[in-house]
Amino acid sequence: DVKVTQSSRYLVKRTGEKVFLECVQDMDHENMFWYRQDPGLGLRLIYFSYDVKMKEKGDIPEGYSVSREKKERFSLILESASTNQTSMYLCASGKFDRGTYEQYFGPGTRLTVT
Amino acid sequence: LAKTTQPISMDSYEGQEVNITCSHNNIATNDYITWYQQFPSQGPRFIIQGYKTKVTNEVASLFIPADRKSSTLSLPRVSLSDTAVYYCLVGLNTGFQKLVFGTGTRLLVSP
Repeated sequence: DVKVTQSSRYLVKRTGEKVFLECVQDMDHENMFWYRQDPGLGLRLIYFSYDVKMKEKGDIPEGYSVSREKKERFSLILESASTNQTSMYLCASGKFDRGTYEQYFGPGTRLTVT
Repeated sequence: LAKTTQPISMDSYEGQEVNITCSHNNIATNDYITWYQQFPSQGPRFIIQGYKTKVTNEVASLFIPADRKSSTLSLPRVSLSDTAVYYCLVGLNTGFQKLVFGTGTRLLVSP
């Protein structure tokens, strides 16, 4: 089974702190994604990565950066956390297999910024 | 990017067939249609993907008319455990395009 793990299920940080959210996948997928999910807004793509050291901005990259130094790991960085970044953060990896493209999601990290 | 429109919520009873329709009027020629399911406190899970006509797997069927401007996810004989949010996505069948998850359809299955 594909497994996508995220470093924390719950995280509480203070405004202005630098926050690292880690995501690891064990299926050698080239593509990885970071989303945030907020009530009434669905999932919104923050950043995605085609492959190691490659990254592309999603729809809401402001206030975030990412790092992909190894194929299995994709990190989301909040340079200076703000209260409006309180949200559920979901990581996913993706692959193309037998004519279908599928994303596999981790369990999510619920981040609260106070 | 093709925009999708789905009902906000639907109600059903155990054992019934549920059909959730998604509208995507500006779907592009190379776009595929994909559905995901999400339970509370979990990440979304892939259900089914298709390009045209009908696709069926062990959990659902996907019906796509010839003009591809809409699609219908069909869940046969739902159970309480099918209560979840269902998302319709439209995009290229690769990892090289941003897929847009809308707000989804919240399905509530009652006994």
